Amino acid sequence: QQQVKQSPQSLIVQKGGISIINCAYENTAFDYFPWYQQFPGKGPALLIAIRPDVSEKKEGRFTISFNKSAKQFSLHIMDSQPGDSATYFCAPRATSGTYKYIFGTGTRLKVLA
Amino acid sequence: GAGVSQSPSNKVTEKGKDVELRCDPISGHTALYWYRQRLGQGLEFLIYFQGNSAPDKSGLPSDRFSAERTGESVSTLTIQRTQQEDSAVYLCASSLAKEKKLFFGSGTQLSVL
Repeated sequence: QQQVKQSPQSLIVQKGGISIINCAYENTAFDYFPWYQQFPGKGPALLIAIRPDVSEKKEGRFTISFNKSAKQFSLHIMDSQPGDSATYFCAPRATSGTYKYIFGTGTRLKVLA
Repeated sequence: GAGVSQSPSNKVTEKGKDVELRCDPISGHTALYWYRQRLGQGLEFLIYFQGNSAPDKSGLPSDRFSAERTGESVSTLTIQRTQQEDSAVYLCASSLAKEKKLFFGSGTQLSVL
């Protein structure tokens, strides 16, 4: 029973381009919507997150857009750089019972120099 | 400590053997999570500890898996009678009670031959 669907599975972008990764969720009992970045051999690290009462949040080159009615949120990376090449995960936090973060399947981003 | 520490970083074992993985969370972090990441896939929730509350074990895949945590300190994940499908990276994360940001360790790469 997959509650979180992430797309695309992989993405190749030219340096300076825009990277867009999408996450759709099925369970409405989520209260926090983060994106994590993972480099090979490392654990994921929080990149940016948004609350459900906000439609957009921007931090530097990274923006989250949140559409509550569509149950979707997306990560936009502006002016993508080779150093952004990593795997990205959406991980909304479920509030039913205990606090669990449900990770998407990941998007492998490669930014070409 | 400076971050979440996991040991060993790599573990090779034979099918049928028991293994124990260790996680040292950031000092003061009351919440602790274990996740499993199979090669090229997303993170699969295993178990969640929050202070002295009963742990959420809903993600443990079988009764061969168990985890313990003493107070707000070290946690150990034990896998009994390991199987080849247990091969994965096991990630530990911790957070402050009222914070939502997860801090991950670098994981333990488990290989079952």
